[in-house]
Amino acid sequence: SQTIHQWPATLVQPVGSPLSLECTVEGTSNPNLYWYRQAAGRGLQLLFYSVGIGQISSEVPQNLSASRPQDRQFILSSKKLLLSDSGFYLCAWSFQGDEPQHFGDGTRLSIL
Amino acid sequence: RKEVEQDPGPFNVPEGATVAFNCTYSNSASQSFFWYRQDCRKEPKLLMSVYSSGNEDGRFTAQLNRASQYISLLIRDSKLSDSATYLCVVNFGGGSNYKLTFGKGTLLTVNP
Repeated sequence: SQTIHQWPATLVQPVGSPLSLECTVEGTSNPNLYWYRQAAGRGLQLLFYSVGIGQISSEVPQNLSASRPQDRQFILSSKKLLLSDSGFYLCAWSFQGDEPQHFGDGTRLSIL
Repeated sequence: RKEVEQDPGPFNVPEGATVAFNCTYSNSASQSFFWYRQDCRKEPKLLMSVYSSGNEDGRFTAQLNRASQYISLLIRDSKLSDSATYLCVVNFGGGSNYKLTFGKGTLLTVNP
């Protein structure tokens, strides 16, 4: 069966500091991978998605970036965090095509 | 018109009650539909896919009305453990479009 791992679970960072969140999937090859953000009391916002190694699509302009250096690894980064970057970050995977997505446990990011 | 719109809620029902959630979507070309549940401060989890013919999984019944661009979720004999936020999810693409759009969710509280 497939599993998704996301870490860390909680992160507190100062404004202007860099960010790196990592997500890995096991038990499948060439999954679609996604990064979402959920601000307090709001819906899920798709940030990035990837259909293959090195292929990244960005959904919203922001100071975040994503990379997929390996088939089952997806990384969310920032060079300088803003206060508005606070939120609950979720990584997800799906099989190719119109399949449901499965989420990692999420990272709760607080910017001070 | 919002892409995916759900009942605003919150819904407060007693144990054993039947509760129904509705969802409308804006794109008539949408191909796949899902209901997720999200517990407080947790990741969304797939509850069930929604098929054109309607489908049932135990106490949960999902229905799709393509003509009205409408999805519903019915929960019978509510349990305390059903308390969560229920997210309506639609894939607005087909073929190579892999993005799901999430509604903002409807909060359900089942009371003893």
